[in-house]
Amino acid sequence: DTGVSQNPRHKITKRGQNVTFRCDPISEHNRLYWYRQTLGQGPEFLTYFQNEAQLEKSRLLSDRFSAERPKGSFSTLEIQRTEQGDSAMYLCASSFTLNYGYTFGSGTRLTVV
Amino acid sequence: GENVEQHPSTLSVQEGDSAVIKCTYSDSASNYFPWYKQELGKGPQLIIDIRSNVGEKKDQRIAVTLNKTAKHFSLHITETQPEDSAVYFCAAGTDRTTSGTYKYIFGTGTRLKVLA
Repeated sequence: DTGVSQNPRHKITKRGQNVTFRCDPISEHNRLYWYRQTLGQGPEFLTYFQNEAQLEKSRLLSDRFSAERPKGSFSTLEIQRTEQGDSAMYLCASSFTLNYGYTFGSGTRLTVV
Repeated sequence: GENVEQHPSTLSVQEGDSAVIKCTYSDSASNYFPWYKQELGKGPQLIIDIRSNVGEKKDQRIAVTLNKTAKHFSLHITETQPEDSAVYFCAAGTDRTTSGTYKYIFGTGTRLKVLA
């Protein structure tokens, strides 16, 4: 068990470019979550997968954001036409059942210039 | 809307002293309350949690209390050590979602500094 792995750790992109982040959850965890954390704030819920099905999306997840979890394993979060307001830490978490606390990855820090 | 307030935003204590962080939640459907510790450059790490059918839980130097009536819950760290220095987040979780997931509402964090 190597924990939740996120790549890349850091991403600097120009405004208007597309970016994609990857999350590899703990292997036996069927639930996967994406959160966004801005400086000085707590994480905010973005979306949730149970196996390969995306079951819930936050209003924070605009049309420029899309997440996938093919085959119920790793997940990707893509942001199209990035804006400066997208600069944040994007955190992935996974859990095994409903009643366990999440295990977070170390996050991907996105800077849009 | 759903909200979790966390106080204080910063807390400095002398090594060996106790630290207390308090949170208040608004959603009466919240039934799970985890606490996370986040060190610089890392993701949040779960340190303790409590469910709504329990009033207090302790794990070595860390304890959490819950007052459901007042919608308050607190983190207590005793005999603080320099390695306790980090940002601590409380969260309130509810399974009252269409998907049946636990969605957490996080507080804004408390930066704890333990002075040696």
